Amino acid sequence: QKEVEQNSGPLSVPEGAIASLNCTYSDRGSQSFFWYRQYSGKSPELIMSIYSNGDKEDGRFTAQLNKASQYVSLLIRDSQPSDSATYLCAVNSGGGADGLTFGKGTHLIIQP
Amino acid sequence: GAVVSQHPSWVICKSGTSVKIECRSLDFQATTMFWYRQFPKQSLMLMATSNEGSKATYEQGVEKDKFLINHASLTLSTLTVTSAHPEDSSFYICSAQGAGTGELFFGEGSRLTVL
Repeated sequence: QKEVEQNSGPLSVPEGAIASLNCTYSDRGSQSFFWYRQYSGKSPELIMSIYSNGDKEDGRFTAQLNKASQYVSLLIRDSQPSDSATYLCAVNSGGGADGLTFGKGTHLIIQP
Repeated sequence: GAVVSQHPSWVICKSGTSVKIECRSLDFQATTMFWYRQFPKQSLMLMATSNEGSKATYEQGVEKDKFLINHASLTLSTLTVTSAHPEDSSFYICSAQGAGTGELFFGEGSRLTVL
């Protein structure tokens, strides 16, 4: 059974600080990794994708992948109150059109 | 990113009636679409994979006769909740996969309330 684990939180971070969100996955053959942001009552929005080991930066967001440790993380620099949301980690193991396995999400709160 | 549109956003129905939710890919062709369900404070749960021109593939525990999926064209998939009951009340979200990268783009979601 493919599993994606996240700490549900809430994770509280002061405005302007770095928010660090972590995710582990069970399927060592996983190939694609995604971070989605979901505001309450809304559908998920893709914010980052990463496919190879290392860091990938996009604006204030940095995704980090370590396949040996089966670990993927998301860093949010200069956190803003508008970053307050649930962040979902998603993993695609099949490399094809077979959907994603989602973690339960981490509820992030940015305190002004 | 790709645009996926879902309709209706909200629907309230009486127990025993059927509800249809539409999912459209607006700027790309999607041979495969996915239907998810999300209960409050829970993660997204994949219900079924919708394949254009063929039968949908349902996840374990999802009743195919209750959740009818039709994917008649490359830009439209529909989910029909038949004989809905209050326990079917949930947030239903469709998605389509971008070509090559495996990224999923989500529709706006449809919140179903069964009275």
